[in-house]
Amino acid sequence: AQKITQTQPGMFVQEKEAVTLDCTYDTSDQSYGLFWYKQPSSGEMIFLIYQGSYDEQNATEGRYSLNFQKARKSANLVISASQLGDSAMYFCAMRLHGSSNTGKLIFGQGTTLQVKP
Amino acid sequence: KAGVTQTPRYLIKTRGQQVTLSCSPISGHRSVSWYQQTPGQGLQFLFEYFSETQRNKGNFPGRFSGRQFSNSRSEMNVSTLELGDSALYLCASSLDGTGRAPEYFGPGTRLLVL
Repeated sequence: AQKITQTQPGMFVQEKEAVTLDCTYDTSDQSYGLFWYKQPSSGEMIFLIYQGSYDEQNATEGRYSLNFQKARKSANLVISASQLGDSAMYFCAMRLHGSSNTGKLIFGQGTTLQVKP
Repeated sequence: KAGVTQTPRYLIKTRGQQVTLSCSPISGHRSVSWYQQTPGQGLQFLFEYFSETQRNKGNFPGRFSGRQFSNSRSEMNVSTLELGDSALYLCASSLDGTGRAPEYFGPGTRLLVL
């Protein structure tokens, strides 16, 4: 069975500093995608970044980067230069590639990030 | 390009009633998935539709059903509501349903069952 583990229920970071949110995953499949989503208090899930299991380079999207270590099965999210608007819940998710599993995201329990002014 | 829209945004029902939630995906997206989010269980997959066919289903009772129309819009229905069905219901769409494209979520429908 596939599983996502986020071990940090809550995190604090000072404004303008960088922060790393941890994510480890478990799967025996070789082809999968890893995602990070941000969920503000409004409830909407905002897509941040995607990393494919066969991608050789770590994904980056603006201030977001994904530190992908395949051998360790980790996919940590790094947010640089934190802003007050980054305060939210962050979810790591995985989806296996393949017709029987397409469209099924498996989520971790989430990490609440609070940015201090 | 407009994002994923969901209606209604908020809903209050009583036990035993039924409810229908609607989701309009991003234009051109053919895959629509539904998720239930609760404080206790987190985010759980309900089902996925692609080209009007249910392709994948999560571990939910038969009271939860859905469908997709030819324009990719999707509806989910919950019959005989129970208190435990109170949750945020999120709809997501993706371009081609290959599993290699991100799913973009709507704002969700908050359902409260009294």
